[in-house]
Amino acid sequence: EAQVTQNPRYLITVTGKKLTVTCSQNMNHEYMSWYRQDPGLGLRQIYYSMNVEVTDKGDVPEGYKVSRKEKRNFPLILESPSPNQTSLYFCASSFQGRRETQYFGPGTRLLVL
Amino acid sequence: AQSVTQLDSHVSVSEGTPVLLRCNYSSSYSPSLFWYVQHPNKGLQLLLKYTSAATLVKGINGFEAEFKKSETSFHLTKPSAHMSDAAEYFCVVIPGGGATNKLIFGTGTLLAVQP
Repeated sequence: EAQVTQNPRYLITVTGKKLTVTCSQNMNHEYMSWYRQDPGLGLRQIYYSMNVEVTDKGDVPEGYKVSRKEKRNFPLILESPSPNQTSLYFCASSFQGRRETQYFGPGTRLLVL
Repeated sequence: AQSVTQLDSHVSVSEGTPVLLRCNYSSSYSPSLFWYVQHPNKGLQLLLKYTSAATLVKGINGFEAEFKKSETSFHLTKPSAHMSDAAEYFCVVIPGGGATNKLIFGTGTLLAVQP
């Protein structure tokens, strides 16, 4: 089954404790990205990757890191989480090309205390 | 700047009545436009997309949207609402003129369906 998976689905952590949210897709997509969803703001792009070893900042990259060592995986790293990073995070993937439909993971709900 | 404006943050309809969710976009080039739906505590699902072919686009679950370039609009409609349509709906644009797949989301419209 074609899918985008994220882990964990729910996470409560404390300020400053490094964490990683994993994202994996099995559709051989080149393009992957991370979004955060906050009430009244819709979804905003954090980082994206157009292929292996190619990553770039989205609209709200501060406080986040990513890596793309393999085509299928695109982890999101919070080196020192802060309460303003409490949010719902979505990973998405698609074939490269601006008109492509993007497939979303189920979301990771993060609470930073 | 490229952007999407969803004109209503909340819409409430009665079951069996028409649904209209409004969206206006701003893009310097020919955009790709999408509607995604998010049911409570679920991920995002694609309803339909416009990519410069037919201006009237049909999607899943009886939804459709019409691309009107002169009005820079891409409103979502459904003739008869069902209780299962209650969800949040996002209008989304990929601006033209670039190679990125970046999605620009509207702020969402929460649809309530009354019995």
